[in-house]
Amino acid sequence: DIVMTQTPLSLSVSPGQPASISCKSSQSLLHSDGKTYLYWYLQKAGQPPQLLISEVSNRFSGVPDRFSGSGAGTDFTLKISRVEAEDVGVYYCMQSIQLPLYTFGQGTKLEIK
Amino acid sequence: QVQLVQSGAEVKKPGSSVKVSCKASGGTFSDYAISWVRQAPGQGLEWMGRTIAILGIAHYAQKFQGRVTITADKSTSTAYMELSSLRSEDTAVYYCSGSMTYPFDHWGQGTLVTVSS
Repeated sequence: DIVMTQTPLSLSVSPGQPASISCKSSQSLLHSDGKTYLYWYLQKAGQPPQLLISEVSNRFSGVPDRFSGSGAGTDFTLKISRVEAEDVGVYYCMQSIQLPLYTFGQGTKLEIK
Repeated sequence: QVQLVQSGAEVKKPGSSVKVSCKASGGTFSDYAISWVRQAPGQGLEWMGRTIAILGIAHYAQKFQGRVTITADKSTSTAYMELSSLRSEDTAVYYCSGSMTYPFDHWGQGTLVTVSS
């Protein structure tokens, strides 16, 4: 099974400052169809997760443009250009190249300083 | 707009089973996969398995093979997750999630299952 490893596991950022989360997979997430099956989710306190980024870098409907995703192969990054209070929560990366099996990273908790 | 509404909280004894439902409205139920993801208290997300109603098949994470059954009733647009031989470690919030365009792009509100003697 593919293992997803996120770093850091927690970070504290001042409002207006950038934030970056890394996600590494134990195998390449590049499929023979040319797509890379890496996704990012945010779970706010007491809520189900919500999709932020699909296939490495595509913001889902309604996601602010301060969120961006990048990376290739096994190394990926989620960046928030200017953190806002509403961005607090736990961020998860997830792979779906190994369908029908899915694997989440351990999660990264973002707090506001 | 697709909405997923789950059944209410459950309290179960060790060794028993629990069945959680997830009713979909909006969209075409048969066309997308419904997965179940659980989250133990203070822990991360754990994918348990999924079904695609139009295919009538289910796939399960190895960890839950033999203990979980995921089904879908097309006539009522409802998916079900049944977990048997419950133990205290199964205490968690169980989410259903629909994959319409992308994996897990829609989520139910979650169902708390507490396993306690």
